Amino acid sequence: QQQVKQSPQSLIVQKGGISIINCAYENTAFDYFPWYQQFPGKGPALLIAIRPDVSEKKEGRFTISFNKSAKQFSLHIMDSQPGDSATYFCAARRAQKLVFGQGTRLTINP
Amino acid sequence: NAGVTQTPKFQVLKTGQSMTLQCAQDMNHEYMSWYRQDPGMGLRLIHYSVGAGITDQGEVPNGYNVSRSTTEDFPLRLLSAAPSQTSVYFCASSWGQTNEKLFFGSGTQLSVL
Repeated sequence: QQQVKQSPQSLIVQKGGISIINCAYENTAFDYFPWYQQFPGKGPALLIAIRPDVSEKKEGRFTISFNKSAKQFSLHIMDSQPGDSATYFCAARRAQKLVFGQGTRLTINP
Repeated sequence: NAGVTQTPKFQVLKTGQSMTLQCAQDMNHEYMSWYRQDPGMGLRLIHYSVGAGITDQGEVPNGYNVSRSTTEDFPLRLLSAAPSQTSVYFCASSWGQTNEKLFFGSGTQLSVL
């Protein structure tokens, strides 16, 4: 049973476009929602995170939008660049356990 | 700082063999964890620890053992390897007893034949 469902599985965006990755969850006890970025052959690295009392958080070209009532959150990458090509994971935390989504492989075409 | 160091990077086992994946961090992090990464499944938590002498199970603990005798080290033991344990294993650590910013190692690619 996947506690955090992520879509799409893969995404191709043109350079300069907006990349959008979505996640949904069921457990209302989750209290922290990070996004991780992973390049081939490397471990994931924290990109940006949000708490459920905030509807949006922006850091540079990366924005998380959070809809508590719908139990959904999404990552928006503005002005997408080839260097953003990577696998992105959403996650949700309950107590000391972090549950990850299935991952999205993002490719930015030059 | 080396960060989170995992060894080995690659390993091939035969069914039934045992082995230990090593994880060490030099950031004085209290929280350490092990994940496995499989295609289409994301990262799944195997075991975690909030400090020396304290460990707990994650989502997929069966077939794996851990111990935490020091703050720095958190080894993962496969007692009797099975083909279903073929995966990429990541160790991660973070400050305090929470997991708000996980620092991941570079992974161990394990194949069980």
